[in-house]
Amino acid sequence: EVQLLESGGGLAQPGGSLRLSCAASGFSFKNFAMTWVRQAPGKGLEWVSIISGGGAASSYGDSVKGRFTISRDNSKNMLYLQMDSLRAEDTAIYYCAKEASYYSRSAFIDSWGQGVQVTVSS
Amino acid sequence: EIVMTQSPATLSVSLGERATLSCRASQSISSNLAWFQQKPGQAPRLLIHGASTRATGLPARFSGSGSGTEFTLTISGLQSEDFAVYFCQQHDDWPRTFGQGTKLEIK
Repeated sequence: EVQLLESGGGLAQPGGSLRLSCAASGFSFKNFAMTWVRQAPGKGLEWVSIISGGGAASSYGDSVKGRFTISRDNSKNMLYLQMDSLRAEDTAIYYCAKEASYYSRSAFIDSWGQGVQVTVSS
Repeated sequence: EIVMTQSPATLSVSLGERATLSCRASQSISSNLAWFQQKPGQAPRLLIHGASTRATGLPARFSGSGSGTEFTLTISGLQSEDFAVYFCQQHDDWPRTFGQGTKLEIK
């Protein structure tokens, strides 16, 4: 059974940084792309970033490009999201999600973690 | 980016009846559309991918159809556990984009 467990959320000040982690188990982690998706309070879902199974390729949503960095450690089955220059509008629940392929524009998310809350406020 | 538009925003349907949810893409996405269900306080759950392929274990009362820019999720014989928010998402290109959601409520 696929399990994804996020951690590292909390309160950060505007302009500050946070690093989210996602521990994966139940599947061959290195063979699948991984994605971060966020959901602001009472709002819909927003795709944040994706990274290939090997970690060499990635893509970002326009709202986080240049501020957030996705990475992974396949030796530890861990996914990360480094969030810098945080803004109030980054406040959201952040979900770690597994893709159905190594890295493909036409692949889809097939499993989600439970999410971690990030609040940006002074 | 591809804009996804869902309708209606809220749908009221009685238990046992059929619900029809719509999703429109601003440009053709072939059949690269997924549907997710989200209940309060929970993570989303994959229902459908490739516009019509049910996720493993999903009851047959859920069905997806469409291609190009117009898509439909149909839920037949609504059960109490089906009342939730439903999101569509295009998985044709990056950035992946979601619709704003349809809340399915009991009438």
